[in-house]
Amino acid sequence: DAMVIQNPRYQVTQFGKPVTLSCSQTLNHNVMYWYQQKSSQAPKLLFHYYDKDFNNEADTPDNFQSRRPNTSFCFLDIRSPGLGDAAMYLCATSRDLSFEQYFGPGTRLTVT
Amino acid sequence: RKEVEQDPGPFNVPEGATVAFNCTYSNSASQSFFWYRQDCRKEPKLLMSVYSSGNEDGRFTAQLNRASQYISLLIRDSKLSDSATYLCVGPRDNYGQNFVFGPGTRLSVLP
Repeated sequence: DAMVIQNPRYQVTQFGKPVTLSCSQTLNHNVMYWYQQKSSQAPKLLFHYYDKDFNNEADTPDNFQSRRPNTSFCFLDIRSPGLGDAAMYLCATSRDLSFEQYFGPGTRLTVT
Repeated sequence: RKEVEQDPGPFNVPEGATVAFNCTYSNSASQSFFWYRQDCRKEPKLLMSVYSSGNEDGRFTAQLNRASQYISLLIRDSKLSDSATYLCVGPRDNYGQNFVFGPGTRLSVLP
């Protein structure tokens, strides 16, 4: 059974049109992460939640926001997608900060 | 110097060969490191956790060398299905609680 679920798997949005990506987990992990991965590059951490505490990476653009309404769910909001935001967005969870991370299948975002 | 560095490859090896990758890190505080495997257009999947004593799982062996600040991944008797990108995960800072992915090493196992 899938432990980290992401919806949708593929998302097409228009330039400047807000979009929300969803992640849910059945592992009851404390930490949830959002990564952006572009072709042939390493996953780049955007931010993470430790329980309800939000931790933003210094170089994450303001265009990217996140919400974690409960332990199981976390959302990535892109307020005004640009062409450069087209990428795979990966959600991951871990029991605690120093533990291994488990990834969802990702959402591939296309911006037209 | 980047926190975690890897040779991007590609490493092209024949089936049955033994291949080794290294990953260097610059922050020394962490007690744990990880190797992930990522297939094309898929998510990273945890391959091995690497602790002080290293780790072995079947054909895969991971070692940690603290003195030289690198971790290694050895794959014995490589299979066609081992073809993937191997991502090293190491500490991003000297507190040891935040991690960063290396750029990955691409492996192609050839028939």
